[in-house]
Amino acid sequence: GENVEQHPSTLSVQEGDSAVIKCTYSDSASNYFPWYKQELGKRPQLIIDIRSNVGEKKDQRIAVTLNKTAKHFSLHITETQPEDSAVYFCAATSPSGGSYIPTFGRGTSLIVHP
Amino acid sequence: EAEVAQSPRYKITEKSQAVAFWCDPISGHATLYWYRQILGQGPELLVQFQDESVVDDSQLPKDRFSAERLKGVDSTLKIQPAELGDSAMYLCASSLPREASYEQYFGPGTRLTVT
Repeated sequence: GENVEQHPSTLSVQEGDSAVIKCTYSDSASNYFPWYKQELGKRPQLIIDIRSNVGEKKDQRIAVTLNKTAKHFSLHITETQPEDSAVYFCAATSPSGGSYIPTFGRGTSLIVHP
Repeated sequence: EAEVAQSPRYKITEKSQAVAFWCDPISGHATLYWYRQILGQGPELLVQFQDESVVDDSQLPKDRFSAERLKGVDSTLKIQPAELGDSAMYLCASSLPREASYEQYFGPGTRLTVT
């Protein structure tokens, strides 16, 4: 099955700095890569996603890049703000038996210091 | 805005007891997922339904866990008997049919504590 590795487990930055979180996956058939943000005590929410036919996607201060050859994808947050502090999860979705099975990384705790 | 509903929000039970969680997905979402999330880790998929059919339950401990979605709408996850190691957050999520979107919408979760 799919295996997703996520690094770093903790990331501490100053407000205004950029933050980068990286994930690798093992199944070359995976074709959908979402990123979820989970604030303390709340449910995970999708912040950005990318499909395997696209190399990069941007949404305001957030961007995701995908390298299919190397089987890794990254989340980039620019001009970080204290409200960006949360746990971020990557996931890789691989086809299986006519459906699509998601596998999540272990998460990165992002701390943005004012 | 429609949301995934889960109940109960919190459950404390003694080991060896039975416990059940309920999930009501967003209307029209054919795919339903049950995850277990241990503190400090990512969600681990336990079972995935497409309508009323199980499409993946490879990580479901079938000796004690069971899940059903009889009419292809709401779903129940059961643990019997509960063990101390089952203490975790149990998240339910739903998504549209695969041709439309893969985005998952999560419910608020059920925090299970086994004593």
